[in-house]
Amino acid sequence: QQQVKQSPQSLIVQKGGISIINCAYENTAFDYFPWYQQFPGKGPALLIAIRPDVSEKKEGRFTISFNKSAKQFSLHIMDSQPGDSATYFCAASSLWSDYKLSFGAGTTVTVRA
Amino acid sequence: GAVVSQHPSWVICKSGTSVKIECRSLDFQATTMFWYRQFPKQSLMLMATSNEGSKATYEQGVEKDKFLINHASLTLSTLTVTSAHPEDSSFYICSVRPAGQGEGTEAFFGQGTRLTVV
Repeated sequence: QQQVKQSPQSLIVQKGGISIINCAYENTAFDYFPWYQQFPGKGPALLIAIRPDVSEKKEGRFTISFNKSAKQFSLHIMDSQPGDSATYFCAASSLWSDYKLSFGAGTTVTVRA
Repeated sequence: GAVVSQHPSWVICKSGTSVKIECRSLDFQATTMFWYRQFPKQSLMLMATSNEGSKATYEQGVEKDKFLINHASLTLSTLTVTSAHPEDSSFYICSVRPAGQGEGTEAFFGQGTRLTVV
């Protein structure tokens, strides 16, 4: 079963708008939460990642918000651009065990110009 | 940045034949590599963990005799799909974790291999 639940399945945002993708997990052993961006026909590329000791991490237009007590984390894409149109996957793993990544189902983001 | 190279990028094969996919870590040594399968518009599903110098560890439901994994060196892992059938058609992606790294190690992904079995 999917250990990381991701929503929404897809979203459409206007250029300059904010895209928000949410993920939730159950396994309290998870301690590493990356987000990946994938374009059609390509492998995923790491966008940004967070550890549970911080509640927010920002890199450029991308921000992860992390709520440890709720076991939820989200990706915010500010000032969305057409080039951001891609599929985004959240993931989680335990760095102190086997480092296997459990992926969310993915969110297809379409940014309209 | 680190580069993981997969070859081929795409392959078409006849049903019943075998196909080998290579995953090379170009910038660092990797004791562990991961193989994923991704169907259209779906997420990545881990198939197996490839361990250098030892047997691969397969996820539940993955046939180890059908998906042969060899991790002969610290920079190369291969996935062989044996006796391929149309239902094996998918996007196969490898992932690498650099050897000797501690917490926070990023997982690097290859560009994927599109397998079509006809």
